[in-house]
Amino acid sequence: DAGVTQSPTHLIKTRGQQVTLRCSPKSGHDTVSWYQQALGQGPQFIFQYYEEEERQRGNFPDRFSGHQFPNYSSELNVNALLLGDSALYLCASRKGWHRGAAKNIQYFGAGTRLSVL
Amino acid sequence: KNEVEQSPQNLTAQEGEFITINCSYSVGISALHWLQQHPGGGIVSLFMLSSGKKKHGRLIATINIQEKHSSLHITASHPRDSAVYICAVSNTGNQFYFGTGTSLTVIP
Repeated sequence: DAGVTQSPTHLIKTRGQQVTLRCSPKSGHDTVSWYQQALGQGPQFIFQYYEEEERQRGNFPDRFSGHQFPNYSSELNVNALLLGDSALYLCASRKGWHRGAAKNIQYFGAGTRLSVL
Repeated sequence: KNEVEQSPQNLTAQEGEFITINCSYSVGISALHWLQQHPGGGIVSLFMLSSGKKKHGRLIATINIQEKHSSLHITASHPRDSAVYICAVSNTGNQFYFGTGTSLTVIP
């Protein structure tokens, strides 16, 4: 059983461009979260998707948007890239979104390292 | 101030030493997680606990809910334990808060 898979592993873009990152959750998982991890920092929560809807959002501008597909896979889109968007973007999946689901183990992907030049 | 604080930020140990990493949090939680991140980025969940103590091999995690504090212990440390260890908490709203991590280097 593949765990959480993310693509691509590395990506280089220039300022102003747009980028799409992809995530396939672990089999059986239906809730996907995205995190941004700057160098030397802990991950910061971007948003969480369940049943194809954004359910929670962290403190990120509207340039960051996402989507979840019927097969539970997800995309993170970032528009008008800034140098400060350079980071490791992590996807995590879990089963369930209901109140008690926070006790379900969240599995992380290996991340997509985005460099903005 | 971060919701989750870890200490120390960096730790260097000799092979075989007993290691402790501490985590304090300031929010109400449903569970606390210890994660391991190797160079390159991939994160592995080590423990998820909401009370007491858990042990897995040479790793032990404890939590004190009243004091809002958790510790991760590594016994008989080995160079392959070198990684960043991240403490994270999840609340009943299904949101995670992460510490900035403790970078551990174990020297042979």
